[in-house]
Amino acid sequence: EDQVTQSPEALRLQEGESSSLNCSYTVSGLRGLFWYRQDPGKGPEFLFTLYSAGEEKEKERLKATLTKKESFLHITAPKPEDSATYLCAVRPNTNAGKSTFGDGTTLTVKP
Amino acid sequence: KAGVTQTPRYLIKTRGQQVTLSCSPISGHRSVSWYQQTPGQGLQFLFEYFSETQRNKGNFPGRFSGRQFSNSRSEMNVSTLELGDSALYLCASSFTASGEQYFGPGTRLTVT
Repeated sequence: EDQVTQSPEALRLQEGESSSLNCSYTVSGLRGLFWYRQDPGKGPEFLFTLYSAGEEKEKERLKATLTKKESFLHITAPKPEDSATYLCAVRPNTNAGKSTFGDGTTLTVKP
Repeated sequence: KAGVTQTPRYLIKTRGQQVTLSCSPISGHRSVSWYQQTPGQGLQFLFEYFSETQRNKGNFPGRFSGRQFSNSRSEMNVSTLELGDSALYLCASSFTASGEQYFGPGTRLTVT
């Protein structure tokens, strides 16, 4: 069974204090690893897709990286508006339509 | 381009009743997935439809069912509601079955 574990569960940062979120996964052949951002009371918002080890994607203050066992979401000089829950999900090669999500990391950035 | 829409946004039902939730995907998206989100269990996969066929199903009892219409709109039905079914139900659409998903705002179901 596919598994996704995210850490830490919660992270509090000061504005400008860079850090990383971790997503460890076990999947029988990775079709894709996805990062989403979810604000309270809203549906998750797509951020990145990573397909193979060594791949990196960037968007504003966020950078996602992928190895064979884990993915990191690096947040550089975060701002209060980056506060949200960040979710990681994997799709396997077989049954690619079935996504498995981690429980998320709730990030709070204080001004 | 319009996003994924879900109706209704909020619903209060009594134990034993049934409920139908609706989802309209992004135009051109043929894959629709449903998820249940609760504070304790996170996002749990319910099922995925592609071109009117259910291709994947999560570990939920048979009380949870769904369907997809020819215009890709999807409905989810829960029969004989239980208190534990209280959750945020999210619908997501994607262009391909393996691509990134775009989520709707969810339907908040409360069972009393």
